[in-house]
Amino acid sequence: AQKVTQAQTEISVVEKEDVTLDCVYETRDTTYYLFWYKQPPSGELVFLIRRNSFDEQNEISGRYSWNFQKSTSSFNFTITASQVVDSAVYFCALGPGANNLFFGTGTRLTVIP
Amino acid sequence: DTGVSQNPRHKITKRGQNVTFRCDPISEHNRLYWYRQTLGQGPEFLTYFQNEAQLEKSRLLSDRFSAERPKGSFSTLEIQRTEQGDSAMYLCASSLLPQGFGNNEQFFGPGTRLTVL
Repeated sequence: AQKVTQAQTEISVVEKEDVTLDCVYETRDTTYYLFWYKQPPSGELVFLIRRNSFDEQNEISGRYSWNFQKSTSSFNFTITASQVVDSAVYFCALGPGANNLFFGTGTRLTVIP
Repeated sequence: DTGVSQNPRHKITKRGQNVTFRCDPISEHNRLYWYRQTLGQGPEFLTYFQNEAQLEKSRLLSDRFSAERPKGSFSTLEIQRTEQGDSAMYLCASSLLPQGFGNNEQFFGPGTRLTVL
């Protein structure tokens, strides 16, 4: 079975604080892909990152960084020096193959100015 | 604008009526996906097409739901005899065909919000 758990339902931080969004996944597949999407108040899902199961290197893109650990089945997302524009719902998703995605329930991040 | 577009953006209907939504994917994308998202939940997969062929359907897709992509370009999702439980955001996404075993990122449209009264 494929499952994604985002245990943090809502997080509030003050602007410029760092924040980490947790994602834990379950799959029996040996090859799979993990994704993060952002859903701002406008509603449109915005792709942030894709990572395959063979690549455990952490990735940094500007203020965003991702920590993939197969040993703990986690793919966590950190925003450094958060900004008000980062306020959104963030979804972690699992792509077990080349087809559909399994999404978590999302974490609503509110950045307070 | 070369992103995924969906029409209409909002639809209000009465229970028992039929509704149809349209999705226009990014032009070079072979794959097209439909998802449903209810309040406070992540998107749930409904079905996907590769070109004009519908290759997978979720068990969420009851017999009242039908999707088509007749020419491998735009797609329509029809819901017959709508029920209040069908109220949700219906999302369309598209992607390039994966090379070998892969899972390319899906690009989502703005969604169609359906309210069934």
